[in-house]
Amino acid sequence: AQSVSQHNHHVILSEAASLELGCNYSYGGTVNLFWYVQYPGQHLQLLLKYFSGDPLVKGIKGFEAEFIKSKFSFNLRKPSVQWSDTAEYFCAVILNQGGKLIFGQGTELSVKP
Amino acid sequence: GAVVSQHPSWVICKSGTSVKIECRSLDFQATTMFWYRQFPKQSLMLMATSNEGSKATYEQGVEKDKFLINHASLTLSTLTVTSAHPEDSSFYICSAPEGAHTEAFFGQGTRLTVV
Repeated sequence: AQSVSQHNHHVILSEAASLELGCNYSYGGTVNLFWYVQYPGQHLQLLLKYFSGDPLVKGIKGFEAEFIKSKFSFNLRKPSVQWSDTAEYFCAVILNQGGKLIFGQGTELSVKP
Repeated sequence: GAVVSQHPSWVICKSGTSVKIECRSLDFQATTMFWYRQFPKQSLMLMATSNEGSKATYEQGVEKDKFLINHASLTLSTLTVTSAHPEDSSFYICSAPEGAHTEAFFGQGTRLTVV
């Protein structure tokens, strides 16, 4: 079955540290890839997405992600995190443009001021 | 981006009663909508796919008689939790894809607490 796997359950960083959250998916066909963020008490917000073209995509708030097809990966990065980045981050894929999102388990990011 | 509105944002109900949650696409038509459930500290689990004018498609393990889905128009899908029990307490989220189904837009979610 198709799945999305996020490597880290909980990441704790100090402000200004660099961030990389891993995401791998298991599906051999066409996928659209997403990273969502959920701040405490708020709904999901789209950080960035990849459909095609340049595999390095830039999103909001200084986040970026790189699609590596050979590794079935779509890791999220940010050079310097802020306390306000404390949130839950979800990687997700849409298979074959069906609109149905499959989510990873989520990674809780805690940034210490 | 497109807007999906979900109502109510939170609801508390007594065990044994039914609760209806609405999901509306405000500025686009959605022939398909998705309902997710999120437990605390866990990911979103797809419950069912709501199809306008036809029956919903439920994921494995989701009780269709307990979670009734109606997609009566191109902008509205409803999820009714029937005979709710405390274990049904959760965060329910709907989403609707736009255009070529290449992106999903989410409602703000509904926090259901069954007491």
